[in-house]
Amino acid sequence: DIQMTQSPSTLSASVGDRVTITCRASQSISSWLAWYQQKPGKAPKSLIFKASTLESGVPSRFSGSGSGTEFTLTISSLQPDDPATYYCQQYDSFPWTFGQGTKVEIK
Amino acid sequence: QITLEESGPTLVKPTQTLTLTCTFSGFSLSSNGMGVGWIRQPPGKALEWLALIYWDDDKRYSPSLKSRLTITKDTSKKQVVLRMTNMDPVDTATYYCAHTTFDYADKWGQGALVTVSS
Repeated sequence: DIQMTQSPSTLSASVGDRVTITCRASQSISSWLAWYQQKPGKAPKSLIFKASTLESGVPSRFSGSGSGTEFTLTISSLQPDDPATYYCQQYDSFPWTFGQGTKVEIK
Repeated sequence: QITLEESGPTLVKPTQTLTLTCTFSGFSLSSNGMGVGWIRQPPGKALEWLALIYWDDDKRYSPSLKSRLTITKDTSKKQVVLRMTNMDPVDTATYYCAHTTFDYADKWGQGALVTVSS
């Protein structure tokens, strides 16, 4: 199985701050990576696929980059609606695997 | 638009078999590339992928749970069913079904919390 490791596990930032979450794969997954946002009590919502393609309707302050084994999710200016847990997921090969999540909080 | 909804028991006893149904709309599971998968999330923990079935009846399972899982589809009813045998308290989780087109899970159901307890 491909292991996905996210860092940090938790981060606290102020409104307007630039926030970066890292996701590392245990082997190359090309660009077959998705990012999801999950708010408490809700289902995950797809934000980004193929490492850097924004889903329709997702605010442009979200962006993704990377390929191979290193990926990042960036929120260019943290907004009050953004606190959530963010997960990366590889779909290069089965079994699909997720990172352990990064909880983003507002200071 | 694509919607999915999970249904099934909220409480099962240890050793019992769990049967969950995903009823979907907005796409046909007989169309090329379409798939429906199941993902679960224990309380306070991360997401775990379980199984996936494609339009051509190709089925994929989590290796660690493969012996306990069966995924089937009923295209005409627009339903996908997941069966998990020999349930244990560690299987307590919210179970999600999700739509996929060859790759990632682009649309998710709202989830169904299943508690395993005697």
